[in-house]
Amino acid sequence: KAGVTQTPRYLIKTRGQQVTLSCSPISGHRSVSWYQQTPGQGLQFLFEYFSETQRNKGNFPGRFSGRQFSNSRSEMNVSTLELGDSALYLCASSLLNIQYFGAGTRLSVL
Amino acid sequence: AQSVTQLGSHVSVSEGALVLLRCNYSSSVPPYLFWYVQYPNQGLQLLLKYTTGATLVKGINGFEAEFKKSETSFHLTKPSAHMSDAAEYFCAVTTNTGGFKTIFGAGTRLFVKA
Repeated sequence: KAGVTQTPRYLIKTRGQQVTLSCSPISGHRSVSWYQQTPGQGLQFLFEYFSETQRNKGNFPGRFSGRQFSNSRSEMNVSTLELGDSALYLCASSLLNIQYFGAGTRLSVL
Repeated sequence: AQSVTQLGSHVSVSEGALVLLRCNYSSSVPPYLFWYVQYPNQGLQLLLKYTTGATLVKGINGFEAEFKKSETSFHLTKPSAHMSDAAEYFCAVTTNTGGFKTIFGAGTRLFVKA
């Protein structure tokens, strides 16, 4: 069974731009969560989607948004990028309370 | 609200020595507890989990952890460290109150000396 796939793996953007990250969950998993990982703040929860509905949200500004499609694939969007948005963004799909993580997308904002 | 505290941002052991990584949590509802390992430039890999039942759980690569409710702890151990164990380890607590929410500890970087 294929694991969680995140694309792209690496991304370079400049301040003010917007970016969209993609996550394909493990087949059969309907819950997808997103996390931001930085050296200073560690792993922080962004949001969780289940059956196309956002069920939980972390403490991030409205520039961070997401959505989930009917096939459970999820996208995360960050608008008006700031230097501080540089991070590893991890997606996890869940079944029975257990999360399985993708390799992440490393975003660098210049 | 839940929280996770990992004692020691860096732990160094000799190859063959006991590995002990400490994790304490707080949660207002029964938690699910996890340990993950992260190698450089990779995502998180599940080491082991506690959901219900037996409080001593065994995971991959010889790791195990014991859930102690009275101490609100979930420490990770391995009897004999191997060089390949050098990585960053994260303790996490997940609650399900109308949706999953997971809080991670700050992580402990394990160094293994030859």
